[in-house]
Amino acid sequence: GAVVSQHPSRVICKSGTSVKIECRSLDFQATTMFWYRQFPKKSLMLMATSNEGSKATYEQGVEKDKFLINHASLTLSTLTVTSAHPEDSSFYICSARLGGSYNSPLHFGNGTRLTVT
Amino acid sequence: AQTVTQSQPEMSVQEAETVTLSCTYDTSESDYYLFWYKQPPSRQMILVIRQEAYKQQNATENRFSVNFQKAAKSFSLKISDSQLGDAAMYFCAYRSVRTYKYIFGTGTRLKVLA
Repeated sequence: GAVVSQHPSRVICKSGTSVKIECRSLDFQATTMFWYRQFPKKSLMLMATSNEGSKATYEQGVEKDKFLINHASLTLSTLTVTSAHPEDSSFYICSARLGGSYNSPLHFGNGTRLTVT
Repeated sequence: AQTVTQSQPEMSVQEAETVTLSCTYDTSESDYYLFWYKQPPSRQMILVIRQEAYKQQNATENRFSVNFQKAAKSFSLKISDSQLGDAAMYFCAYRSVRTYKYIFGTGTRLKVLA
């Protein structure tokens, strides 16, 4: 079945540094990927929609200069948290929709636990 | 704007018993999709079941079934013969046919008691 791989699963970084998270669709082409953020014991909050070959669409309140998204190919989207601060510590999850079927469900990565010290 | 509400933060069920998780949503659209996702301790989101709003028949997947009441905007999940492996967070989600954005509820933590 469709698999979405997210890497790394855990990352600890110092305040002020940048962290890149990769999301790959392993056996299908994903024209659209989505980045979510999940706070402890909370629901998933959509941060942005990543479109292959074009700029990402950010949700209201999400800083696009802080959370850089690049969808360079049909199988890879990256989220870079720039100048990370402790309040950016969270669980980030990517998801992808199998292209070609407009009613296909999302497939999720395993998520990345980011801790900023 | 669409909203999804899960009013049960936590539920418990005895192994082999049946449990129902509630979900209500609000939308002005007539066509949409509804989903239940499971998030076990591993944090991997797993699709449990989905329902197209234009279908009157309730979706079923083995031990999982839904009670979809379109007029009431209700979409509950029934888990039959509960197993220890069913213990997880369950999220109800809504998706418009016009966009691919998913709106998730706040989740229900299901505990399965041996």
